[in-house]
Amino acid sequence: DTGVSQDPRHKITKRGQNVTFRCDPISEHNRLYWYRQTLGQGPEFLTYFQNEAQLEKSRLLSDRFSAERPKGSFSTLEIQRTEQGDSAMYLCASSLETQINEKLFFGSGTQLSVL
Amino acid sequence: AQKITQTQPGMFVQEKEAVTLDCTYDTSDQSYGLFWYKQPSSGEMIFLIYQGSYDEQNATEGRYSLNFQKARKSANLVISASQLGDSAMYFCAMREGLGGGKLIFGQGTELSVKP
Repeated sequence: DTGVSQDPRHKITKRGQNVTFRCDPISEHNRLYWYRQTLGQGPEFLTYFQNEAQLEKSRLLSDRFSAERPKGSFSTLEIQRTEQGDSAMYLCASSLETQINEKLFFGSGTQLSVL
Repeated sequence: AQKITQTQPGMFVQEKEAVTLDCTYDTSDQSYGLFWYKQPSSGEMIFLIYQGSYDEQNATEGRYSLNFQKARKSANLVISASQLGDSAMYFCAMREGLGGGKLIFGQGTELSVKP
């Protein structure tokens, strides 16, 4: 059973550097979501794709953040010029249905620490 | 705008007893879905239970049940016969509309099960 896979599990970077995370969804899933979670908080929505199309992006998302899903399979999330406030767990989720009861299946996340 | 509120930052329960985790929501949409997820210390979000706004019966999944009170806009999770493995963060989430899409999460409740 291959679930949602995220790479790397941990990333430590210096302020001002660019970082890129990868997410491989469950193979038949056509929707892919990115969330950010800080300690003691619930996941915060960032963006989501249906196949290769980016359908929604959070208005709170800085221009330094960009996500792609070029072939409708894996996705990358890039953060440019990282800041200490970007330190968080970045979660990826995927789903198959496009209905109100659509369940999201989450990966284990990438923990980013910006020094 | 949709909003989820979980007012219990932390809860304790004795093993084998039942516990209720509170969740209230705010939406102007008539069609919406409510979800509960569990997040153990490993970090992965695990789907527990779903309730649709038009569902007349409260949802149940094994030891989990959802006490849905539409007029009060509450969707409390009830865990019966608590087990040590139930110790985790629990998040309530909501989706508006019929076509799927992002989930908005609450702040979470940390449940600790005492032996």
